[in-house]
Amino acid sequence: QQQVKQSPQSLIVQKGGISIINCAYENTAFDYFPWYQQFPGKGPALLIAIRPDVSEKKEGRFTISFNKSAKQFSLHIMDSQPGDSATYFCAASMRPGNEKLTFGTGTRLTIIP
Amino acid sequence: DGGITQSPKYLFRKEGQNVTLSCEQNLNHDAMYWYRQDPGQGLRLIYYSQIVNDFQKGDIAEGYSVSREKKESFPLTVTSAQKNPTAFYLCASTLRERELETQYFGPGTRLLVL
Repeated sequence: QQQVKQSPQSLIVQKGGISIINCAYENTAFDYFPWYQQFPGKGPALLIAIRPDVSEKKEGRFTISFNKSAKQFSLHIMDSQPGDSATYFCAASMRPGNEKLTFGTGTRLTIIP
Repeated sequence: DGGITQSPKYLFRKEGQNVTLSCEQNLNHDAMYWYRQDPGQGLRLIYYSQIVNDFQKGDIAEGYSVSREKKESFPLTVTSAQKNPTAFYLCASTLRERELETQYFGPGTRLLVL
């Protein structure tokens, strides 16, 4: 049973545009929602994370929007750059004491000139 | 220079052979994890350990085994019972006490079957 659904599977965005990746979850016990960025042949690295007590979190060009009632969250990359080309994973876990992350299936983002 | 190291970077397995993937961390993290990554399937949890000498099965533990004899080390053995072992294996660790816990990943080991 996949508990975190991620879309789209792949995304092509022009340089300077906005990249949007969406995730939906089923388990209402999830309480922590990170996004990871992975470059080819490397391990994922934490990009930004949010808890459901806020609806939005922004760090530089990266923003997470969170809709608790809809059980959805999304990553927005503003002014997308070629260096942002990577695979992005959303994930979810429960409160401290149960740090297992459940990952989405990933989105391969390509930024074209 | 703190971090997670995985070795080897590439590993080849013959039919019927057990192979062991190494994972070491010097971050003083309590919990460690092993994930398997296949194209289009994201990361799937194999095993995890929250303290030394204790570990739990993840979602796809069949055909794998682990040990946690030291806090800094969490090796994964891919046994001959794992019929489709070709994948990218990622080790991660996290500090339990932090309010906003972060899983730190190693660089991965790519396992190929000969």
